[in-house]
Amino acid sequence: DADVTQTPRNRITKTGKRIMLECSQTKGHDRMYWYRQDPGLGLRLIYYSFDVKDINKGEISDGYSVSRQAQAKFSLSLESAIPNQTALYFCATSDLRGAGDTQYFGPGTRLTVL
Amino acid sequence: KQEVTQIPAALSVPEGENLVLNCSFTDSAIYNLQWFRQDPGKGLTSLLLIQSSQREQTSGRLNASLDKSSGRSTLYIAASQPGDSATYLCALKTSYDKVIFGPGTSLSVIP
Repeated sequence: DADVTQTPRNRITKTGKRIMLECSQTKGHDRMYWYRQDPGLGLRLIYYSFDVKDINKGEISDGYSVSRQAQAKFSLSLESAIPNQTALYFCATSDLRGAGDTQYFGPGTRLTVL
Repeated sequence: KQEVTQIPAALSVPEGENLVLNCSFTDSAIYNLQWFRQDPGKGLTSLLLIQSSQREQTSGRLNASLDKSSGRSTLYIAASQPGDSATYLCALKTSYDKVIFGPGTSLSVIP
């Protein structure tokens, strides 16, 4: 079984809809991250969390919110989706105590906002 | 502001050739640098991570080096194989816990 899972894997929605992307991990890592990937722009950090009570904004947090429900779960919400949020979204985890904060990525969620 | 670039954007080589992928950054105050590969439509797979205090890391046919003073990291792939075809990304973690990715180099290894 995959260590980092994301649901859904693909989602098509309409402008103005609320969307939640979920991430779960079985690696026991404290740190979790949400990124988006756009062609030509690479990966950009949206939010990150170093433990259940810690939430930090990344480079492009506007229009997004997150919830760290448990050590193993980190969800990303788009309160009112807009077309320029169409992208590939990745969740990642890391652990300073293990492999020096190596990041491990989920398979991604492809989101299309019409 | 830290910026990360990767040159070339795309590279095509014949099977068996040794190759070097480059990653450049503008601020030497980094915590670590990580190399990933990404297959089309897939997530990222970690290849190597170099801590700020290290100069290089090796895993099988892969060797990554880090030179903070010149703002460069290289990923050396020996005896390339068609299965190495993918996009390779470098990502550096700043001392402020920000992670910044380069745009990637798309590698094609021709049989």
